[in-house]
Amino acid sequence: GDSVTQMEGPVTLSEEAFLTINCTYTATGYPSLFWYVQYPGEGLQLLLKATKADDKGSNKGFEATYRKETTSFHLEKGSVQVSDSAVYFCALGSNFGNEKLTFGTGTRLTIIP
Amino acid sequence: DAGITQSPRHKVTETGTPVTLRCHQTENHRYMYWYRQDPGHGLRLIHYSYGVKDTDKGEVSDGYSVSRSKTEDFLLTLESATSSQTSVYFCAISPGGPEAFFGQGTRLTVV
Repeated sequence: GDSVTQMEGPVTLSEEAFLTINCTYTATGYPSLFWYVQYPGEGLQLLLKATKADDKGSNKGFEATYRKETTSFHLEKGSVQVSDSAVYFCALGSNFGNEKLTFGTGTRLTIIP
Repeated sequence: DAGITQSPRHKVTETGTPVTLRCHQTENHRYMYWYRQDPGHGLRLIHYSYGVKDTDKGEVSDGYSVSRSKTEDFLLTLESATSSQTSVYFCAISPGGPEAFFGQGTRLTVV
């Protein structure tokens, strides 16, 4: 079945550092890929998405590229801020009509000033 | 924010008691989901609904039941709560396709 393997955390970085959170997936067919973010005490918010190979999703300075050849969707940001401290979840969704998301285990990111 | 309200937001209950969590949406979306979030597991799907009275099991459905009698409401029931069901529960909605919008969560503690 579908699965998502996500970089283990926690990750601690200094402000303005470069961020990469790795995500790889196993799926049949051609899923859509997502990054969700969860700020303390809140629900999950969609951060970015990509629906087909080579698509790049981007939002709030974060980017991720759908790499079919390496089955990856790594999250990157060039210069992180304290406000980026949160838990980040990689997820995939089937495009075959079962309308469900499969999540990775989440990566807790802490940015220190 | 998507119009999703979960209630209650926090609950402490005793082992063996029944518990019902409610998810209410104002978006008229067809699909509704219940997930649980646990450390080291991410989010796991409990049950989902693809229409009024149409529901199906997710990967961790044992010990849980759901009902959807109206488009806007999706109820999750723990028939007899156990300590292993201590978790944070999230409701999500979707108009179709895999992208989903999440509620604020319900923190349930079973003592």
